[in-house]
Amino acid sequence: NAGVMQNPRHLVRRRGQEARLRCSPMKGHSHVYWYRQLPEEGLKFMVYLQKENIIDESGMPKERFSAEFPKEGPSILRIQQVVRGDSAAYFCASSPGTVNTDTQYFGPGTRLTVL
Amino acid sequence: DAKTTQPTSMDCAEGRAANLPCNHSTISGNEYVYWYRQIHSQGPQYIIHGLKNNETNEMASLIITEDRKSSTLILPHATLRDTAVYYCIVKMNYGQNFVFGPGTRLSVLP
Repeated sequence: NAGVMQNPRHLVRRRGQEARLRCSPMKGHSHVYWYRQLPEEGLKFMVYLQKENIIDESGMPKERFSAEFPKEGPSILRIQQVVRGDSAAYFCASSPGTVNTDTQYFGPGTRLTVL
Repeated sequence: DAKTTQPTSMDCAEGRAANLPCNHSTISGNEYVYWYRQIHSQGPQYIIHGLKNNETNEMASLIITEDRKSSTLILPHATLRDTAVYYCIVKMNYGQNFVFGPGTRLSVLP
C-alpha cells in the first residue's frame, strides 16, 4: 500500500507566478489535511478537506490560497501570485476518516522556493 | 495553541532507552495522545497513539499516567537514525487537525 504521495517534491517559482501542489492520499483514505512549515518553524495547519468538501479552512491565508479535493484525482493546493514569504515546505496528510481509527499519515512534502 | 508541554531537547546514548516526557494536563476525556517525529526536513512520521491504556508497537511504547495528564514515549534501543524532533499532540480521534508545538529535539549520541 503506497503511502501519501506529493508532487512535485521541489518547486521553484518567481514572484507573481502560480504554484500548484498535489497530494494523492493513501488508498482508502477520504480525508486530506494540508500543513505548512516555514523555515526553522513548526508545522501549521492550513486546511482540512473531504472529497468535494472543505471541512475546515481556518488556517488558510485569506487571499491567494485555495484548496480542493475533487471526486476523482489528487487534492490540489493552489497559491496564486506567489511572494517570497510563501517559500516553505508544504505537507499533506491523509486519514481514513473512520471514528475509531483516524490516524493521519504524512507525505514527503513539497518544498516551494519563490525567487 | 498546542495543549502539550515537552522539553526542548534531550540527549540519549546509542543503544540505550530514550524516554521522552509530555505533559497534557488539560486533556479531555475524548482526546487521544499522538506521537510523531520529523527527521531532518522529512514529512512527520507517525509513531504511536493511545487513549488511556499503555500501548506498544514495533517502534515504541507509550505510557500514559492514570490521570492522563502526562505520558512518556519510550524508544527501547535508540539508534543514530532516531535523531529527530518528536511531537506529542492531543486531539480527538476523528477529524480535526493536529496542532504542532515545538516538540523535543532528541539527539542520539554514539
